[in-house]
Amino acid sequence: GAGVSQSPSNKVTEKGKDVELRCDPISGHTALYWYRQSLGQGLEFLIYFQGNSAPDKSGLPSDRFSAERTGGSVSTLTIQRTQQEDSAVYLCASSQDHTGELFFGEGSRLTVL
Amino acid sequence: GQNIDQPTEMTATEGAIVQINCTYQTSGFNGLFWYQQHAGEAPTFLSYNVLDGLEEKGRFSSFLSRSKGYSYLLLKELQMKDSASYLCAVRDPGAGGFKTIFGAGTRLFVKA
Repeated sequence: GAGVSQSPSNKVTEKGKDVELRCDPISGHTALYWYRQSLGQGLEFLIYFQGNSAPDKSGLPSDRFSAERTGGSVSTLTIQRTQQEDSAVYLCASSQDHTGELFFGEGSRLTVL
Repeated sequence: GQNIDQPTEMTATEGAIVQINCTYQTSGFNGLFWYQQHAGEAPTFLSYNVLDGLEEKGRFSSFLSRSKGYSYLLLKELQMKDSASYLCAVRDPGAGGFKTIFGAGTRLFVKA
């Protein structure tokens, strides 16, 4: 596609429910990132996929968070048993390779009640 | 460890020049980025430095000193639309490749 696409744009869920957030990167981009941004804060690194290499999961805050990238393209970030502190905007970005600038999607705003 | 520091907020006047500083301490270094983020929007790329020195692009310039772990973003002829957050980011070689780590951002307010 023309840009990085994320869905849903907004998600409201109840505490304890699982959520899945989807990212469709720019076609041909081999690197894909997930970040989390709380209101008025910077971007918190979550996970990074580069080609067929093992992902860098060092930013995932707990074992309730997981992500996968199928076929080197679409990625899904899953949050199990959501907590109120998970409320944030989840941003996905892709880059052509490990050397390039990041192109961001519009984000998925998650609200946990 | 990784640490990227920027001032939290700055205010400047329309038409003026403003310099936003960034200092970093990372386990590795493979380039420094500046991104602009307007409220409620996604970040967009402004500049990239991997070698020491100044990179100029229109009204925006970015400087890097690797030995000092220091960069700045210079904005000239400020316009109201420049009111935004400016994010400093470092690409750090990690176990799985080159991940990009962001600072908390500097909120710039441009007043008339």
